[in-house]
Amino acid sequence: EVQLVESGGGLVQPGGSLRLSCSASGFTFSSYAMHWVRQAPGKGLEYVSATSSDGGTTYYADSVKGRFTISRDNSRNTLYLQMSSLRAEDTAVYYCVKDVPCSGTSCYMGYFDYWGQGTLVTVSS
Amino acid sequence: DIQMTQSPSSLSASVGDRVTITCRASQRISTYLNWYQQKPGKAPKLLIYAASSLQSGVPSRFSGSGSGTDFTLTISSLQPGDFATYYCQQSYTTPFTFGPGTKVYIK
Repeated sequence: EVQLVESGGGLVQPGGSLRLSCSASGFTFSSYAMHWVRQAPGKGLEYVSATSSDGGTTYYADSVKGRFTISRDNSRNTLYLQMSSLRAEDTAVYYCVKDVPCSGTSCYMGYFDYWGQGTLVTVSS
Repeated sequence: DIQMTQSPSSLSASVGDRVTITCRASQRISTYLNWYQQKPGKAPKLLIYAASSLQSGVPSRFSGSGSGTDFTLTISSLQPGDFATYYCQQSYTTPFTFGPGTKVYIK
């Protein structure tokens, strides 16, 4: 059974930093691109970031570029999102999501067959 | 970035009704269009991918159609568990943008 379990969310002051983790199990983690998607309270879904299966290719939405860093440790089956210079508008539930299979190690298909339960990040003073 | 719009933003329907939700992309995306269902407090669930392919385990009352810029999600006979918010999403290019959602209420 595929499981994605996020952790690391919490309350942080504006300008602060936080690192989210996503522990994956039930599939060959190193074979799949992974992504982060967020959802502000009461709002829709916003695409945040992607990493290819080997970690060699990454993508960031303009709203987080230069502030967030996605990474992965395939030996630990774990995805990370390092967030810095946090703003109130970063307040959201952050979901770790698994991409569907694609050919090669540096590709994304861009749609998501498994989602974690989400971790809430609140940026407030 | 490709902008996704959905209509209506909400609708009320009864069990057994046929429900149609539309999604439009700001540029042509072939059939790189996916649909998700989200219930309150839960993560989204993939229903339809590549515009019309049913994800494994999803009931056949859900169907999708369209290509280019205009797409449709249809629920042929609404069931009690289908009251939720539905999002379309393009996977044509990064950023893989989502539509604003359509909330389906009980009439």
